[in-house]
Formats: sequence, structure tokens, C-alpha cells
Amino acid sequence: EAQVTQNPRYLITVTGKKLTVTCSQNMNHEYMSWYRQDPGLGLRQIYYSMNVEVTDKGDVPEGYKVSRKEKRNFPLILESPSPNQTSLYFCAIGASGSGEQYFGPGTRLTVT
Amino acid sequence: EDKVVQSPLSLVVHEGDTVTLNCSYEVTNFRSLLWYKQEKKAPTFLFMLTSSGIEKKSGRLSSILDKKELFSILNITATQTGDSAVYLCAVEPGYNFNKFYFGSGTKLNVKP
Repeated sequence: EAQVTQNPRYLITVTGKKLTVTCSQNMNHEYMSWYRQDPGLGLRQIYYSMNVEVTDKGDVPEGYKVSRKEKRNFPLILESPSPNQTSLYFCAIGASGSGEQYFGPGTRLTVT
Repeated sequence: EDKVVQSPLSLVVHEGDTVTLNCSYEVTNFRSLLWYKQEKKAPTFLFMLTSSGIEKKSGRLSSILDKKELFSILNITATQTGDSAVYLCAVEPGYNFNKFYFGSGTKLNVKP
């Protein structure tokens, strides 16, 4: 069974304080992606990665960074969080080219 | 601009009813359309429809894709309270595999 782990699950922080949300998978899938979900806006893709050291921008990459140094991990970095980044964040994985994604449990981030 | 529009935004039905959820899209060089179910947690995959697979069925759920008219429908027959969820539609463009555009979802509430 595909397992996607995100940490932390809940985080309240202040504007400007750098933070990292980790994402880890146990399926050896090439594809990993980050989404944010906001009321009325659905899921919006932030960044995605097709393999180690290969990352690309999604629809809303501004204010975020990612890295893919190992196949199983895909951390999301907010260098200087702002209140408009308050959201529910999901990490997703999938086999390359399959389209089907498995989502992690989500991280609820509040930036004050 | 690539976009996905779902309708209705929300729907209330009673157990045993049949519902139809709509997803229309505009995307450059379509590759696939996916349906997900989201209860109070992460989205879970339901169906993927492509040019070579325009109709899918699983139990009481079925979906069709109309590539000419650029829409898809998700049908749920004999609804149960466990079908209550937000149903998300996503489209993957052919010019950029693994980049996904989601609609804002349809919230379905099935009453006993």
C-alpha cells in the first residue's frame, strides 16, 4: 500500500520565520508533487518532481522552494512565510506517466 | 489559460438517489482527466479517462469523457451516506506530463 508521510501535520508560525514541511514515500515512485488547497479554489499545484534532481514549477510556485536529493523525500521550503500562505498542503506521489496520484494526509499551516 | 470548472458547487440528495457531477475543461493538448474523492482527509483516486479510455465504471460509480465537447461526468447511482464527500476533477495537459489542474470540487451531501 502506498504510504505518503508528511510532517508536521499542523503548524502555526509567524511571518518571516523559515519553515520546512517534509514529505516521504515508501513506494519508490519517481513522481512527487506539492499542492495547496484553499476554500473555493480547489487544489493548486506548487511544484513537482519527475526524479532526483529534477523539479519543475506548478501553477503557484511563488514563495516556495523544493528539493529532491533523494528519491523518497521531497521537502517543501517556505523561506519567508507570509499570511497568504496559510493553507492546507498536500504532498502526492505517483508512478511516472500514470496520472494517478496518492496523496499524503495533509499539513495545515497557519502563518500569523 | 488551462482551467477546470466543476458544477454544481454543492448538492444535497437522499440515500438511493442518482447524482451526476459535471466537469468541463479547457486545456492545451489534453492528455487525461482524473476524478478524486475527498472526505475529511486526503483525496483518493477514482478514475482516469484518456483518449483511449473514455468510459470507466466501478460499482455504483461511473464516468464518461466527451473530448469533443470538453467535459466529463461522474455518475453515482443508489447513493449512500458514505458517498458524502467533495469530488474533485483534474486535467493533465499533454504538453507537460504530471502538471495537473484541478477544479474547485463538488460537495455532495447524502442524507439518510
